[in-house]
Amino acid sequence: KAGVTQTPRYLIKTRGQQVTLSCSPISGHRSVSWYQQTPGQGLQFLFEYFSETQRNKGNFPGRFSGRQFSNSRSEMNVSTLELGDSALYLCASSYRTGDHEQYFGPGTRLTVT
Amino acid sequence: GESVGLHLPTLSVQEGDNSIINCAYSNSASDYFIWYKQESGKGPQFIIDIRSNMDKRQGQRVTVLLNKTVKHLSLQIAATQPGDSAVYFCAELYNFNKFYFGSGTKLNVKP
Repeated sequence: KAGVTQTPRYLIKTRGQQVTLSCSPISGHRSVSWYQQTPGQGLQFLFEYFSETQRNKGNFPGRFSGRQFSNSRSEMNVSTLELGDSALYLCASSYRTGDHEQYFGPGTRLTVT
Repeated sequence: GESVGLHLPTLSVQEGDNSIINCAYSNSASDYFIWYKQESGKGPQFIIDIRSNMDKRQGQRVTVLLNKTVKHLSLQIAATQPGDSAVYFCAELYNFNKFYFGSGTKLNVKP
């Protein structure tokens, strides 16, 4: 069974631009969660989607948004990029909301210049 | 918010020795506690979990201990190998709803 895939793996953007990241969960998994990982803050939860609905949301500004499609694939969007948005963005999938077993993708490394 | 923390940012052990990585958590109502391993350039990998009503759980070369009295979680790795070198995170699942992650401990295995 293929693992969680994320595209692109690396991205360089400039301040003020917007970016869209994609995540394909493990086949059969319907929950997708997004995390931001930085050296200073560690892993921080962004949001979770299940059955195309946002189920949980972390403490990030409205510039961070996401969506999920009927095939469970998910995208997250960051608008008006700031230097502090530079991070590794990870998505994780699981069968259902609140499942303690979630599996992470390799991440997208976003650099904002 | 909830907080999950780690006592040591870096742990160096000799190959073949046992490793113990510690984690403190603050929410006594969390449902599950999970350990992840993250190698350079990769996403976190699920290692082992323990439900809040258990004290100990063993896997292959790994054991997780949960001490609810002092809100402490540990991961023991037996006969540590060079391939175990990575950053290890503990996480708690609260209300079967949200995960909270610790900042991570870097395990360095010396040959």
